[in-house]
Amino acid sequence: GAVVSQHPSRVICKSGTSVKIECRSLDFQATTMFWYRQFPKQSLMLMATSNEGSKATYEQGVEKDKFLINHASLTLSTLTVTSAHPEDSSFYICSARPARPETQYFGPGTRLLVL
Amino acid sequence: AQTVTQSQPEMSVQEAETVTLSCTYDTSESDYYLFWYKQPPSRQMILVIRQEAYKQQNATENRFSVNFQKAAKSFSLKISDSQLGDAAMYFCASGSRLTFGEGTQLTVNP
Repeated sequence: GAVVSQHPSRVICKSGTSVKIECRSLDFQATTMFWYRQFPKQSLMLMATSNEGSKATYEQGVEKDKFLINHASLTLSTLTVTSAHPEDSSFYICSARPARPETQYFGPGTRLLVL
Repeated sequence: AQTVTQSQPEMSVQEAETVTLSCTYDTSESDYYLFWYKQPPSRQMILVIRQEAYKQQNATENRFSVNFQKAAKSFSLKISDSQLGDAAMYFCASGSRLTFGEGTQLTVNP
């Protein structure tokens, strides 16, 4: 149980385009979903927290107009990187948390490369 | 603010031996959870073990156990009978929004 999928697993795009990443909880309802960014050989950095039906809460320093988050249902959250630039290239990971237990379950991640 | 510190960037262990990974944390929350996640080369984050801070009993999951010292804000992970598949980056984390430590890269030698 507690499976989270993430799609796509890898995406290459041109600078200036937008990219959408989907995160789904497959066998539970996620009251809260999280989006992280991870640089090589570093820890995970929380970007934003989203609850179903409400606006996402962004961490300090994360541009909400660049990283659009939509939590449309209790099983789906999307992250859209708008007008992507090479510095947005990174590994993006989502997680989903049910009401109980209070534990985050992670998706497999998306590797984004902006050329 | 929460902080999580893992003071061992790298650790190694012989197969079948026991290894302990260290973690200290600081939190202002009165009721909180602590976690160990592993991240193998696939980069999939996998939950290893969870500890609820109000429980005095240390959590165990098969070969994995923790030594939770609440007063000292210490939360170490012990891996017994280490296996080659245990090789990964291990992250300690705390809180409802998960503050992560910097990670410990564990190598298991055959």
